Amino acid sequence: GAVVSQHPSRVICKSGTSVKIECRSLDFQATTMFWYRQFPKKSLMLMATSNEGSKATYEQGVEKDKFLINHASLTLSTLTVTSAHPEDSSFYICSARGEGRETQYFGPGTRLLVL
Amino acid sequence: EDKVVQSPLSLVVHEGDTVTLNCSYEVTNFRSLLWYKQEKKAPTFLFMLTSSGIEKKSGRLSSILDKKELFSILNITATQTGDSAVYLCAVDLSGTYKYIFGTGTRLKVLA
Repeated sequence: GAVVSQHPSRVICKSGTSVKIECRSLDFQATTMFWYRQFPKKSLMLMATSNEGSKATYEQGVEKDKFLINHASLTLSTLTVTSAHPEDSSFYICSARGEGRETQYFGPGTRLLVL
Repeated sequence: EDKVVQSPLSLVVHEGDTVTLNCSYEVTNFRSLLWYKQEKKAPTFLFMLTSSGIEKKSGRLSSILDKKELFSILNITATQTGDSAVYLCAVDLSGTYKYIFGTGTRLKVLA
């Protein structure tokens, strides 16, 4: 159990466009979801924490108007990168945690390339 | 500021060698420490440690936590080329459920 999916797995877009990434918990209810980004050869950096039905909590230095997070249901969270620029190119990973579960479960990640 | 530091940053060994990866932490609300293996995708879970001195073992991998000295080690015995990956250590903070990740150790095992 505890499978988390992400879609798309890879996306290439033009500068100035918006990109939406979906994160789904397939076999459990995710009360909390987390969004990370990872630059090449770097570790995972937490961007924001979202709880179902409430506003996301962003980490220091993460622009909430640029990285819109929605956690509308217990199985789905979305990250929208608005007006993407080349410097937003990165590997975005979501994770989910359910009630009574001891750890976060990671999705497979989304590689974003902004041209 | 909460901090997780791993060492070494990178390591190259030959098949059959034993390696020890280190993770030290300074956090305000420790809940547990986790080890992950990351290849070219998202991290895969290896171990979760909550108590000092109790070794967790899975095949050739083992890990232990020292909550007094604030560190953990991950041992890999009889390394294989398939062990080549980045090994990440993360601390789970109680209350927020956030993970603070370390810098990672990049392990390369040569045939």
